[in-house]
Amino acid sequence: SSELTQDPAVSVALGQTVRITCQGDSLRSYYASWYQQKPGQAPVLVIYGKNNRPSGIPDRFSGSSSGNTASLTITGAQAEDEADYYCNSRDSSGNLNWVFGGGTKLTVL
Amino acid sequence: QVQLQESGPGLVKPSETLSLTCAVSGYSISSGYYWGWIRQPPGKGLEWIGSIYHSGSTYYNPSLKSRVTISVDTSKNQFSLKLSSVTAADTAVYYCARHSSAAGTDWFDPWGQGTLVTVSS
Repeated sequence: SSELTQDPAVSVALGQTVRITCQGDSLRSYYASWYQQKPGQAPVLVIYGKNNRPSGIPDRFSGSSSGNTASLTITGAQAEDEADYYCNSRDSSGNLNWVFGGGTKLTVL
Repeated sequence: QVQLQESGPGLVKPSETLSLTCAVSGYSISSGYYWGWIRQPPGKGLEWIGSIYHSGSTYYNPSLKSRVTISVDTSKNQFSLKLSSVTAADTAVYYCARHSSAAGTDWFDPWGQGTLVTVSS
């Protein structure tokens, strides 16, 4: 089992806003990073830190955090956003160990 | 532009040692950052295996620590993964990635394309 918990599946209508969440004790102390993975491809970083987007990531992707929950929000979801999304952070031990959430399958309807 | 490329055998026999190398281009490993290995069993999620700091300090997933060794070869600008006593449960796509760590946050970027390793006799 993962120390970071994600909903297995979420759906959103085309053009609408969707929030994908990640829960874990370590998120009270560390920001999550978020990764998008499409079938047969390597994961791609979409959000890191408080709310930072790597170059090339559309500004419809944003991140936030409150308490033990980190969120990835897609404002105006596009068909190409359909993918698996994973959060990542340190584990709750305080040691230098990193964990991934179980992943959320996003379907754009 | 930093690029990473995994290489190694695609088939390993049970009880043997899995060995993979990640070649880095566009950046000198000795200049900084952590460098990490992540795996993904078929149809499942991502699992952090371990990371190595450019100075050589290593950090391993506690669940794999007894079987994992990560090393760096700065002369070849590459880092390597060894996983001993493999079983079918170690069958996965193995990714390497640059691992950044700052105050209160960490991230993996960029990633290699991944390489499938199957454990079977």
